[in-house]
This record gives sequence, C-alpha cells and structure tokens, in this order.
Amino acid sequence: AQRVTQPEKLLSVFKGAPVELKCNYSYSGSPELFWYVQYSRQRLQLLLRHISRESIKGFTADLNKGETSFHLKKPFAQEEDSAMYYCALSGLSNFNKFYFGSGTKLNVKP
Amino acid sequence: GAGVSQSPRYKVAKRGQDVALRCDPISGHVSLFWYQQALGQGPEFLTYFQNEAQLDKSGLPSDRFFAERPEGSVSTLKIQRTQQEDSAVYLCASSPREGSQPQHFGDGTRLSIL
Repeated sequence: AQRVTQPEKLLSVFKGAPVELKCNYSYSGSPELFWYVQYSRQRLQLLLRHISRESIKGFTADLNKGETSFHLKKPFAQEEDSAMYYCALSGLSNFNKFYFGSGTKLNVKP
Repeated sequence: GAGVSQSPRYKVAKRGQDVALRCDPISGHVSLFWYQQALGQGPEFLTYFQNEAQLDKSGLPSDRFFAERPEGSVSTLKIQRTQQEDSAVYLCASSPREGSQPQHFGDGTRLSIL
C-alpha cells in the first residue's frame, strides 16, 4: 500500500541548530517525493521535489531508496522556518494521485 | 485572480444537510485536485480532473460525495446528507498541465457539521 510516514508531530530546535524532519514512504513503483510547507496563515506550497535536486531556503532532501526515506535537512535553522512541513509522494508515471504524510510542526526557538 | 480561490472559507451545516464547495483554479490550469484534511492530518486525495474529465475519483469516501467541473474551469464538490465525520478542511489545488508540478493550493474551506 502507498503510505507516507512522518514520525514526529512536533520538532523544536533553537535558532542556528541543525534540523532534520523525517519522512519514510512505501510505494509499489517508482516514486517522486516532495516536501510541502505551510507557514502560519498561508497556503500550502511546494518547498522542493527530489527530481529537481535543488536547495530551497537552505533545505535539502535526498531520496534514499534503500531506506525508503526522504528526510528534509537544514544545517542552521532560522526562526522563519517555523511552519508545518508535509512530505508527499506520487508516482513518476502517475502524477495525478498524491499521498501526504500527517505533517511535522517545526518550531524554531530564538 | 492570482491564485486558486475557494469559497466559502467557512461552512457550518447541520447533519443531514447538503453542502456545495466551490473552487476557482488558476486560469488556464488543466489539472484540478480536491483533498480532504482532517484535524491533525495531512491532506488526503479525493479526486482529480483533467479539464472537464474526472479521471480519478478513487479517494471519494462514499457515494455522498460528488465533484464536477463541467466547463473545465470552476469545480464544485458536493456532499449530500452530511455526517459529523465529514468535518474537515477541503483543499483544492490546480496545476498547469497533466502531471505537472507544483500544485497551487487554495486556502481551503473549513466545513463543520453539527
């Protein structure tokens, strides 16, 4: 079955500390993985996708097919990174159906 | 408009009533998605349109849920005989082409069933 698991509901770190938001998935096929972010009182928006191999706002994520993981990392957290983060999955050959994790709330303390 | 627009922003209905939720996607966007987001959960896929064609409705939880996009632009999600478990935020998203990213999300409609 297709599933995205984000084990942490809440992650609190101090400003300047490294942050890692965990995401594990199961998918019978070739997946594409995404991270979406929702800042306070804003809409859900795409942060990054594994196929682009970009770094957005200092965040990176590497797809590890062996561990079926797509953890989101940033070496030095900023207060403005505080938000809800959702890991999502779709099929490389079928973008039309998305599976989202339950989300991790990142709180960056001053 | 600049983005996906959903209306109403909030809807309160009594159990058993029918409700209709509207989504105005970004002009020219081919793909349109509906999601249901329960409290404390991530969005769950409901249905997908490519233009006016509903290509995937596998996520609709029951036959009380119905979605349409008759002219390939505005879409309506209708829920008949609402139940308390239908209380959630309903999100709409659109994207320019089939299978393209990113999906542009609306603010959602928060539905509360009393």
